[in-house]
Amino acid sequence: KAGVTQTPRYLIKTRGQQVTLSCSPISGHRSVSWYQQTPGQGLQFLFEYFSETQRNKGNFPGRFSGRQFSNSRSEMNVSTLELGDSALYLCASSLSPSGADTQYFGPGTRLTVL
Amino acid sequence: AQSVTQLDSQVPVFEEAPVELRCNYSSSVSVYLFWYVQYPNQGLQLLLKYLSGSTLVKGINGFEAEFNKSQTSFHLRKPSVHISDTAEYFCAVSAGETSGSRLTFGEGTQLTVNP
Repeated sequence: KAGVTQTPRYLIKTRGQQVTLSCSPISGHRSVSWYQQTPGQGLQFLFEYFSETQRNKGNFPGRFSGRQFSNSRSEMNVSTLELGDSALYLCASSLSPSGADTQYFGPGTRLTVL
Repeated sequence: AQSVTQLDSQVPVFEEAPVELRCNYSSSVSVYLFWYVQYPNQGLQLLLKYLSGSTLVKGINGFEAEFNKSQTSFHLRKPSVHISDTAEYFCAVSAGETSGSRLTFGEGTQLTVNP
């Protein structure tokens, strides 16, 4: 079974631009979560989607948004990029939004903001 | 709210030595506990998880962890490490069924295995 895939793997943008990252979950998984990983802040939860509905949101500004499609694929968008948005963005999928379900992580998208 | 503290940011050990990576958590509700490993330029891979039952949990690659409710700890151990275990290890919690699949992570412990 194919794992979680994220595209693109690397991205370079300039301040003020916007960016869209994509995540395809493991087949049959309906819950998708996004995390931001930086050296200073570590791994921080962005949001969680299940059945096309956002169920949970972390403490990030409104510039960070996401959505989930009917096939469970998910996208996240960051508008008006800032230097501090440079990070590894990880997507994770699980069968359901239960805290007991294992989350399987993709390889991440490395975003660099210049 | 939950919080996780990994007590050591870096742990250097020699090959074939035992290792323990320490993790404490804080939560006002029951939690599920996880250990993940991250190799360079990769995502996170689950090593093991504790949901309920036996407090000693065995995972992949010879790792195990012990849940201690009174000390709110979930330390990860391996009796004999290999060079290939060099990676960053993250302890994480989810707040049972109440917070969905949201994970709160510790700051990570870099394990370096030297020959």
